Amino acid sequence: NAGVTQTPKFQVLKTGQSMTLQCAQDMNHEYMSWYRQDPGMGLRLIHYSVGAGITDQGEVPNGYNVSRSTTEDFPLRLLSAAPSQTSVYFCASSSFGGEGDQYFGPGTRLLVL
Amino acid sequence: GQSLEQPSEVTAVEGAIVQINCTYQTSGFYGLSWYQQHDGGAPTFLSYNALDGLEETGRFSSFLSRSDSYGYLLLQELQMKDSASYFCAEMTGGYQKVTFGIGTKLQVIP
Repeated sequence: NAGVTQTPKFQVLKTGQSMTLQCAQDMNHEYMSWYRQDPGMGLRLIHYSVGAGITDQGEVPNGYNVSRSTTEDFPLRLLSAAPSQTSVYFCASSSFGGEGDQYFGPGTRLLVL
Repeated sequence: GQSLEQPSEVTAVEGAIVQINCTYQTSGFYGLSWYQQHDGGAPTFLSYNALDGLEETGRFSSFLSRSDSYGYLLLQELQMKDSASYFCAEMTGGYQKVTFGIGTKLQVIP
């Protein structure tokens, strides 16, 4: 199993550009989520999904869109990048009925100029 | 605002025991998890409590008191490799939403 994979690992964008951060998992997990991590702020939940076709907002959803067309994939879209979105983005997945254990991808480091 | 509170930094001596506390909000609480993150890496799961009491996993243990909205992570026989950030994470709304604390940076010194 590859676990949770994220692409790209690094990305530099100009203000106003759009892009999609990819996330995939091969563990058949129902629950998937996106977090951003900034110094001194911990991990903040952006969006999450409890299954294909079902998504909901987390703590900091503004400026981001998600969709969940399959169990495996959960892409995060930045509609118009802003310098405030410079961060490290982590995708995670877990199964319902488990013991609170989320599996994290390696992260995407995004710089918006 | 932040619904979870934990100390920002802790320093402990190699071979000693350290406890990292976490308090949480009670609305819709389902369970409390703990994660470890080394610099530049991804968070990795350590432990989980849904019921009151102590859960032990090797050198790491986690405790929960639902009546006090409080939990802690206990690390025994500290090793230098335990230097990392430790996050508590609250599950609410029937295991549909996971919110993390700001993390505690643990430094283990010789």
